[in-house]
Amino acid sequence: GAVVSQHPSWVICKSGTSVKIECRSLDFQATTMFWYRQFPKQSLMLMATSNEGSKATYEQGVEKDKFLINHASLTLSTLTVTSAHPEDSSFYICSARDRKIFNTEAFFGQGTRLTVV
Amino acid sequence: AQKVTQAQTEISVVEKEDVTLDCVYETRDTTYYLFWYKQPPSGELVFLIRRNSFDEQNEISGRYSWNFQKSTSSFNFTITASQVVDSAVYFCALSEANAGGTSYGKLTFGQGTILTVHP
Repeated sequence: GAVVSQHPSWVICKSGTSVKIECRSLDFQATTMFWYRQFPKQSLMLMATSNEGSKATYEQGVEKDKFLINHASLTLSTLTVTSAHPEDSSFYICSARDRKIFNTEAFFGQGTRLTVV
Repeated sequence: AQKVTQAQTEISVVEKEDVTLDCVYETRDTTYYLFWYKQPPSGELVFLIRRNSFDEQNEISGRYSWNFQKSTSSFNFTITASQVVDSAVYFCALSEANAGGTSYGKLTFGQGTILTVHP
């Protein structure tokens, strides 16, 4: 149980286009999901907290108009990188909390490797 | 604000050696959770352990063991008899929690330690 599926696993896009990444909790409901970004050879940094049915909370320094987050259902959150540029190339990974189980680890998706050319 | 420090950027050992990965954390909360994750080259995060701030018992799982020292704010991870398959990046992470012990869910990660085990 507790599977989080992230799609796509990797994507290459042209500079100036937008890319959508999906994060799905397959066997549990998640009122809260988290989006992290990892640049090559660096740590994971929290970008935003996605709350079902409400606006996402962004960490300082993360542009909310560039990284659009939608959490329209209890099993799906999406991150859209708008007008992507090469500096947005990174590994994006989501995690989700099971709304019924407290004090458990956050379950991570497989991650999405984005390359902007 | 919380902070996690993994002072060892890279460690290189020969197979069958024991290796310890250090983790030091900072938080103002009395209730928090500490984690270790393994990140192989494919990128996914493999959960290894979660420990709450009230449980200082050391834990052993096969070749893995963890030493939690609240007095020094450390949560070190030891791999005994390392194997080539242990080669990966290892992250220590911290999650703060409310007074009731419910984790907020979001993690603060350390910088990661790249472990290379040579045959």
